[in-house]
Amino acid sequence: DVKVTQSSRYLVKRTGEKVFLECVQDMDHENMFWYRQDPGLGLRLIYFSYDVKMKEKGDIPEGYSVSREKKERFSLILESASTNQTSMYLCASSSGAGWGQPQHFGDGTRLSIL
Amino acid sequence: KQEVTQIPAALSVPEGENLVLNCSFTDSAIYNLQWFRQDPGKGLTSLLLIQSSQREQTSGRLNASLDKSSGRSTLYIAASQPGDSATYLCAVRQGNNRLAFGKGNQVVVIP
Repeated sequence: DVKVTQSSRYLVKRTGEKVFLECVQDMDHENMFWYRQDPGLGLRLIYFSYDVKMKEKGDIPEGYSVSREKKERFSLILESASTNQTSMYLCASSSGAGWGQPQHFGDGTRLSIL
Repeated sequence: KQEVTQIPAALSVPEGENLVLNCSFTDSAIYNLQWFRQDPGKGLTSLLLIQSSQREQTSGRLNASLDKSSGRSTLYIAASQPGDSATYLCAVRQGNNRLAFGKGNQVVVIP
């Protein structure tokens, strides 16, 4: 089974802090994704990466950056955390072998910015 | 822009009844459609994936159908159980490697 592991289930930070969310997958997947999920808004894509050191903006990249130095690890960075970034963050991965591969999700990180 | 709709947002059914969840999408140019389950405070668990060339997929009590031309998918859960209580999301995969998600059907199965 695919295992996508997010480093923290719950995280509390203060406004202005630089925040790192980590995600690791164990299936040698090429594609990795960061989403945020908010009530009434559903899941929205922040960034995704289709290879090491490659990244592409999603629908809401403002205030975020990402890093993918190794294939198995994809980090989401909040450069200067703000209260409107309080949310549930979900990481996912998928194989790059063809168009029909499913995405597999981690358990999520509930982030609160005070 | 792809719009994915799941109606109703919430529903309750007595235990033992069959569950029928609907998903509609506006752009039929999709590669596949995926159904997920989400328990409160948790991540998404993939249930079924239907490729654009397929009409349905089955796994145990779950059956998902896809009518790409009309932009619809249906998830059937036979003989529902209290453990099926969760939020079910559908998502369509497009050529830009992105998933477009619906907002989910929140299901409660009443014992």
